[in-house]
Amino acid sequence: AQSVTQLDSQVPVFEEAPVELRCNYSSSVSVYLFWYVQYPNQGLQLLLKYLSGSTLVKGINGFEAEFNKSQTSFHLRKPSVHISDTAEYFCAVTHFSGGYNKLIFGAGTRLAVHP
Amino acid sequence: DTAVSQTPKYLVTQMGNDKSIKCEQNLGHDTMYWYKQDSKKFLKIMFSYNNKELIINETVPNRFSPKSPDKAHLNLHINSLELGDSAVYFCASSQGTSGYPSTDTQYFGPGTRLTVL
Repeated sequence: AQSVTQLDSQVPVFEEAPVELRCNYSSSVSVYLFWYVQYPNQGLQLLLKYLSGSTLVKGINGFEAEFNKSQTSFHLRKPSVHISDTAEYFCAVTHFSGGYNKLIFGAGTRLAVHP
Repeated sequence: DTAVSQTPKYLVTQMGNDKSIKCEQNLGHDTMYWYKQDSKKFLKIMFSYNNKELIINETVPNRFSPKSPDKAHLNLHINSLELGDSAVYFCASSQGTSGYPSTDTQYFGPGTRLTVL
């Protein structure tokens, strides 16, 4: 069964600094991987997803993630963060079983950007 | 236009009461979901419907009963509310493909914060 581990529950960073949010997954089959962002008091929205092809995936708001099959990782990066990037970030993997799909989410990483 | 909407946004109620949360999507999607997000932000799927048919039912107490009158709506009714039901409940929808692993993006509503006193 698939599972997702987000290695950091909180990541504090100063504005304009680079950031990496780590995500590892476990799966015995091919995977589809997602990063969602949840701004305060809002629902989740998709940042980016890896389906196949190039291992470097670019998303919205200047974020990108790299799929690494050998390390079973899908870390999210941004070269220069803004205050407005303060949010909860969720890594997720598609779980396919019994003919149906569901998303398995990690526990989330809170990114706090300080001035 | 809001893609996925939920009502109410906040719900405060006493233990033992029955309450409902409504969800509507105007994206033309075939699949809708209910998620529960606990106080530690952990997000877990509860139910999934595809074209009004229940396809995923996680280990949720049977006090929770989803109902889908049509494929654009998925409501959640909760009987005999307990303190542990306090959480944020999210509705989501996706284009909805079954039979093979999905690449679909899920679109989430703004959430309903349920507080049981």
